[in-house]
Amino acid sequence: DTVLTQSPALAVSPGERVTISCRASESVSTLMHWYQQKPGQQPTLLIYLASNLESGVPARFSGSGSGTDFTLTIDPVEADDTATYYCQQSWNDPWTFGGGTKLELK
Amino acid sequence: EVKLLESGGGLVQPGGSMRLSCAASGFTFTDFYMNWIRQPAGKAPEWLGFIRNKANGYTTEYNPSVKGRFTISRDNTQNMLYLQMNTLRAEDTATYYCTMGITTYWYFDFWGPGTMVTVSS
Repeated sequence: DTVLTQSPALAVSPGERVTISCRASESVSTLMHWYQQKPGQQPTLLIYLASNLESGVPARFSGSGSGTDFTLTIDPVEADDTATYYCQQSWNDPWTFGGGTKLELK
Repeated sequence: EVKLLESGGGLVQPGGSMRLSCAASGFTFTDFYMNWIRQPAGKAPEWLGFIRNKANGYTTEYNPSVKGRFTISRDNTQNMLYLQMNTLRAEDTATYYCTMGITTYWYFDFWGPGTMVTVSS
């Protein structure tokens, strides 16, 4: 299976720019997607196909990357962005998710 | 508005079986592939499998991690999705989500709130 590696946690101050990384164990082309999950809720789609913003998601969120290295950027970070962020690939079967990055605000 | 609502979770003993349901509304059910994804508490989600749409014959595909134990089916007259789980193990304890993606690029635009399954004696 394709393993997606994310940093476990980040802490930033409101108004700052934050980048969350996801590294794949093998190429996933641009079939990488990002989700936000708040405690007690289901994940919600933020970015699809590496860099496309899902409808209704604030333009503060953006994605980039291809191959094995991907980034989710939030700029500027707001208090409501406190959540865990997961990457997910759909190039290699079975589709897999990263371990998640917990974003905390200082 | 797309809505997905899972039900049927609860406590089950190891080795037992359970069937989860997902009621879908707000879209033409037969047009879309439907998926099940699970997430143990505090861990990453895991894609379990999907069932294809009408145009692709409602066939299924599974993650090897559950293939042979889990079966996905759908009732297109009731707009219902099902997950039959057999020979359950403690490691199957998780919240189970019904999900749908608008495209076949295999990302998930819509998720239900989930139903929790606990496998324990």
